[in-house]
Amino acid sequence: AQSVTQPDIHITVSEGASLELRCNYSYGATPYLFWYVQSPGQGLQLLLKYFSGDTLVQGIKGFEAEFKRSQSSFNLRKPSVHWSDAAEYFCASDSGTYKYIFGTGTRLKVLA
Amino acid sequence: GAVVSQHPSWVICKSGTSVKIECRSLDFQATTMFWYRQFPKQSLMLMATSNEGSKATYEQGVEKDKFLINHASLTLSTLTVTSAHPEDSSFYICSANRQGESYEQYFGPGTRLTVT
Repeated sequence: AQSVTQPDIHITVSEGASLELRCNYSYGATPYLFWYVQSPGQGLQLLLKYFSGDTLVQGIKGFEAEFKRSQSSFNLRKPSVHWSDAAEYFCASDSGTYKYIFGTGTRLKVLA
Repeated sequence: GAVVSQHPSWVICKSGTSVKIECRSLDFQATTMFWYRQFPKQSLMLMATSNEGSKATYEQGVEKDKFLINHASLTLSTLTVTSAHPEDSSFYICSANRQGESYEQYFGPGTRLTVT
């Protein structure tokens, strides 16, 4: 069955430091992949998506993600984290069924 | 574009009553709408998928008689939690596909339901 794994439940970084959030998917073919951010009590905001083509995807708020087929990964990165980036981050995939499978989420804490 | 709204954003109801949550696509027609449930500090779990004019398709383990979904038009879907109990308290989020963009879902802001 299709699944999405986010190995890190919590991550803490200092403001200005770089960030990488991990996401692995299990699916035979290349799924459609997404990263969302959720602030407390809020809905989901799309950061970026990968459907095909260039494996390095640029998103909003300075985020990027790289699709690596060999590692079944779609890790999210940001070179310099801002305090406002503190939130919950979800990786999601769609294997072509038009249904999303979400990872368990990674809660990001940013230290001043 | 591609804005999805939900109403209400927060609702408190008494145990045994029913509550309706609306999901609207404000600036596009939605081929399909999805309903998710999110428990505190957990991920989103898909509850059901609905297409306009058709019966909703529920995920395994979701009680269709408890969570009634109506997709009356290409811009409106409703989720009714019937005979609510405290364990139904949760954050409910809807999403919608825009026509011609089957693989991308646009999410609403969510509705927090508290059953007392």
